[in-house]
Amino acid sequence: EVQLLESGGGLVQAGGSLRLSCEASGFTFNTDAMNWVRQAPGKGLEWVSVISGSGTHSNTDYADSVRGRFTIFRDNSKNTVFLQMNSLRAEDTAIYYCAKARADSSTWYPPFDYWGQGTLVTVSS
Amino acid sequence: DIQMTQSPPTLSASVGDRVTITCRASQSISTWLAWYQQKPGKAPNLLIYRASNLESGVPSRFSGSGSGTEFTLTISSLQPDDFATYYCQEYNFFSRAFGQGTKVEIK
Repeated sequence: EVQLLESGGGLVQAGGSLRLSCEASGFTFNTDAMNWVRQAPGKGLEWVSVISGSGTHSNTDYADSVRGRFTIFRDNSKNTVFLQMNSLRAEDTAIYYCAKARADSSTWYPPFDYWGQGTLVTVSS
Repeated sequence: DIQMTQSPPTLSASVGDRVTITCRASQSISTWLAWYQQKPGKAPNLLIYRASNLESGVPSRFSGSGSGTEFTLTISSLQPDDFATYYCQEYNFFSRAFGQGTKVEIK
């Protein structure tokens, strides 16, 4: 059974930093791309970042809204993906979900077939 | 930037009803479209990928259609477990944009 367990959320002041973690199990972690998707309170979904799967160098991408402030990385030995969030803003307040990319070689941007339960990040201004 | 627009924003229906949700893309995305279901306090769940392909384990009352810029999600006979918010998502472009959601409520 695929499981994704996020942690690291909390309350932080604007300008501060936070690191989120997502521990995965139940699938071959190093081969699959992993994403972060966020949802502001009462709002819709917004893709944040992706890191590619197997290979000595993982490729990363970011939404324009977080590029230059957030960094995604992974530790395949611990089956964990991280999101380092710096220079946080009030508009970054959201539930952050870790989401596994569906294995699909026909597209650069596969949809998300498994999600964690989410971790809440609150940025106070 | 591509925009994904869902209609209606809210839909009131009864158990057993046939329900259709529409998603329109501001640019053509071929069939690179997914549908998700989200219940309150829970993570989204993938229902449909590539516009019309049912994800494993999803009940067959769910179906998707469309290509280019117009897509639909249909629930053939609404069940109590289906009252939730539904999101479309394009995955043709880097932005992986989501629609704003359609809430299916009990009539």
